[in-house]
Amino acid sequence: QKEVEQNSGPLSVPEGAIASLNCTYSDRGSQSFFWYRQYSGKSPELIMSIYSNGDKEDGRFTAQLNKASQYVSLLIRDSQPSDSATYLCFEGAQKLVFGQGTRLTINP
Amino acid sequence: DTGVSQDPRHKITKRGQNVTFRCDPISEHNRLYWYRQTLGQGPEFLTYFQNEAQLEKSRLLSDRFSAERPKGSFSTLEIQRTEQGDSAMYLCASSLVVGGEQYFGPGTRLTVT
Repeated sequence: QKEVEQNSGPLSVPEGAIASLNCTYSDRGSQSFFWYRQYSGKSPELIMSIYSNGDKEDGRFTAQLNKASQYVSLLIRDSQPSDSATYLCFEGAQKLVFGQGTRLTINP
Repeated sequence: DTGVSQDPRHKITKRGQNVTFRCDPISEHNRLYWYRQTLGQGPEFLTYFQNEAQLEKSRLLSDRFSAERPKGSFSTLEIQRTEQGDSAMYLCASSLVVGGEQYFGPGTRLTVT
């Protein structure tokens, strides 16, 4: 089992809808999770960090962490074509492990 | 805040040659990380430094790879006797604290012919 797993997609969402991206992890001791956005040919760009159970909102983005179920999710509200990218889930405290990324396409 | 910078941005080399990449982290960040990313995959951890001390190395980091951060500021990653399998994007990131947010540089794309 990979330490951090994501569905590679592609995930296709109509413009204006909610995009839901999911990630599961194997180490119960993992503490810190991050979501990065990566455009083709570019480096990862930090979107959200989450350290404790529950939801964390920042603008159109909401990160959710459920340590009991060992999953992390990212919701993007009012999706825009500019949100089309690969989204990477990252355990950044103990394992320093990225998921393989989910490719998201927002259709106008 | 000028962000993380990396040099060069692109490097084409022939198999068997040595290459060296440089990373300048965000100035107040004492943690510096190196990752490698191939097409369609997430970045893979290679090594990290706290100040000048190299604290962890991945088993991906063969003995052809060496990294330094001599004065706790910029870092270099050297690959000796490059192989075609070394072709990848090499990413550098820095963070202020352990487990904190990592900010990435633009990467160095290496092509080994």
